[in-house]
Amino acid sequence: KNQVEQSPQSLIILEGKNCTLQCNYTVSPFSNLRWYKQDTGRGPVSLTIMTFSENTKSNGRYTATLDADTKQSSLHITASQLSDSASYICVVSARHNAGNMLTFGGGTRLMVKP
Amino acid sequence: DAGVIQSPRHEVTEMGQEVTLRCKPISGHNSLFWYRQTMMRGLELLIYFNNNVPIDDSGMPEDRFSAKMPNASFSTLKIQPSEPRDSAVYFCASKASGFANTGELFFGEGSRLTVL
Repeated sequence: KNQVEQSPQSLIILEGKNCTLQCNYTVSPFSNLRWYKQDTGRGPVSLTIMTFSENTKSNGRYTATLDADTKQSSLHITASQLSDSASYICVVSARHNAGNMLTFGGGTRLMVKP
Repeated sequence: DAGVIQSPRHEVTEMGQEVTLRCKPISGHNSLFWYRQTMMRGLELLIYFNNNVPIDDSGMPEDRFSAKMPNASFSTLKIQPSEPRDSAVYFCASKASGFANTGELFFGEGSRLTVL
């Protein structure tokens, strides 16, 4: 069964600090992995996509990594800002005949405090 | 582009009433998804359409739930009769197909449903 596990479930950090969110998956056959950011009361928005051949990708202060061998991804946030407070959802796509099938992680709720 | 548009943003109703949620996908997107989000279960796929045709409705909880997509620019999710356990945020998302498909889902702002 395809599964995506995220840790921690929630995290509180001080403004300006760095943090790393983890995503472990058992999805096969793997197609790609996306990190979404969901602000409170809003819909999720894609931050970055990782394909099988990519190890690291940055989007501003966000850096995602992928280890396809261990089936792990991380999202590192540098110099956190209050606006980074949100839920971060890892979504892994599996290739199927009918198209890609998405498996969602439960999310990590991040709170950045001043 | 205005993005995916959902209505209503908030709905409070009494148990047993019919609820209709509406969605307008991004123009040109061929795939449309309905998700339900709760604190306990996260985001769950209810149903998705390709070119207005329902492809997978295995996530629809029970017969009280139904979804339609009469044309490429409109979809509805109906709950009849509603129950308190249906209280959740319902998201609609759309995705491009073919060569424009990057796999990214574009979500609406959600419809928060409370059933008393």
